[in-house]
Amino acid sequence: AQSVTQLDSQVPVFEEAPVELRCNYSSSVSVYLFWYVQYPNQGLQLLLKYLSGSTLVESINGFEAEFNKSQTSFHLRKPSVHISDTAEYFCAVSDPSSGGSQGNLIFGKGTKLSVKP
Amino acid sequence: DGGITQSPKYLFRKEGQNVTLSCEQNLNHDAMYWYRQDPGQGLRLIYYSQIVNDFQKGDIAEGYSVSREKKESFPLTVTSAQKNPTAFYLCASSIVKGWTEAFFGQGTRLTVV
Repeated sequence: AQSVTQLDSQVPVFEEAPVELRCNYSSSVSVYLFWYVQYPNQGLQLLLKYLSGSTLVESINGFEAEFNKSQTSFHLRKPSVHISDTAEYFCAVSDPSSGGSQGNLIFGKGTKLSVKP
Repeated sequence: DGGITQSPKYLFRKEGQNVTLSCEQNLNHDAMYWYRQDPGQGLRLIYYSQIVNDFQKGDIAEGYSVSREKKESFPLTVTSAQKNPTAFYLCASSIVKGWTEAFFGQGTRLTVV
């Protein structure tokens, strides 16, 4: 069964510094990969996704993630963070060959990003 | 605007009482899902439904029940059998065929005292 590991439960960083949130998944089969963001007491919002094609995917607010099949990783990066990026970030994986549907979507335990002035 | 609406946002109940959480979507999605979120645990799937009048247990279905009488609605009942019901509950929806992502509601925080 698929599993997702987010190596850091908390990442403190100063404003305008770069950040990397790490995500590894267990299987080397073809997968869909996602990063979601959650602000306090709110639902999850899709930040970016990898389905196929280019291994580097970008979001509209400056985040990017790179799919690395050999390392089974999908790390999230931003070159310069803002206070408003403070949130919890979840990595998720799904195996499209299993018939699709979110019933097969597996989440990591989350990484809390705290941006300090 | 299209989206998923969960209500209420905060809910308090006494121990031993059943409570029902509402989830409505106007995205015309076939599939709907309930997740439970606890600090440091990520999201765990409770139930999901891919079509009206059908639903499947997720990883932690014990102590919960659902119904799917309408495409737009997927209420979750937290029963008195759920040993530790205090948590943040998230509802989501998606298409089924050609699925590529999920859409989440704003969540309901349930506190049982």
